[in-house]
Amino acid sequence: AQSVTQLGSHVSVSEGALVLLRCNYSSSVPPYLFWYVQYPNQGLQLLLKYTSAATLVKGINGFEAEFKKSETSFHLTKPSAHMSDAAEYFCAVSEGPIQGAQKLVFGQGTRLTINP
Amino acid sequence: GAVVSQHPSRVICKSGTSVKIECRSLDFQATTMFWYRQFPKQSLMLMATSNEGSKATYEQGVEKDKFLINHASLTLSTLTVTSAHPEDSSFYICSVQLLGVGTQYFGPGTRLTVL
Repeated sequence: AQSVTQLGSHVSVSEGALVLLRCNYSSSVPPYLFWYVQYPNQGLQLLLKYTSAATLVKGINGFEAEFKKSETSFHLTKPSAHMSDAAEYFCAVSEGPIQGAQKLVFGQGTRLTINP
Repeated sequence: GAVVSQHPSRVICKSGTSVKIECRSLDFQATTMFWYRQFPKQSLMLMATSNEGSKATYEQGVEKDKFLINHASLTLSTLTVTSAHPEDSSFYICSVQLLGVGTQYFGPGTRLTVL
């Protein structure tokens, strides 16, 4: 079974400051890992994904994440926060390259607030 | 990425009625779609996996007779909430998956309110 733990249900940073959202996973097989962002009353938008290529993954809007197998982590970072980054962020894991449909298991989400 | 639409975006209905939600993959043919529900300030909970041309696979605890899923074409899956009750009020989101990569692309969601 797979699981995801997002440390901190709410993170608040100042505009221009570093954003760090933490995600730890558990998986019995090589995982695929994803970060999604959700704005109020909207669906989820893919920020970035790790699918066993480079461990440092760059995504949209200046976000990046590093896959660390030894720490079972996939933390999301952005060097300088912008007001438009305020949203709910979800980390998700799925089984790696398998045949057929691959379910996603989501973390509980982290609400990011940006202070002016 | 894939573009996914949902219709309607919001629906309000009376208790006991049935509501149909459509999920469309606009720019590629999706053999697999997923249906989720999300309660306020909570994460997404997978309800079922919708496979084109075959019966949907439901997650444990999800009533298949209450949440009817039809995936009749490679671009359309529907979720029908039958005999809806206030506890069914939620945000329903669908996604499509690109096979071989595992990435899911999500629709904008449907807000269901049952009075």
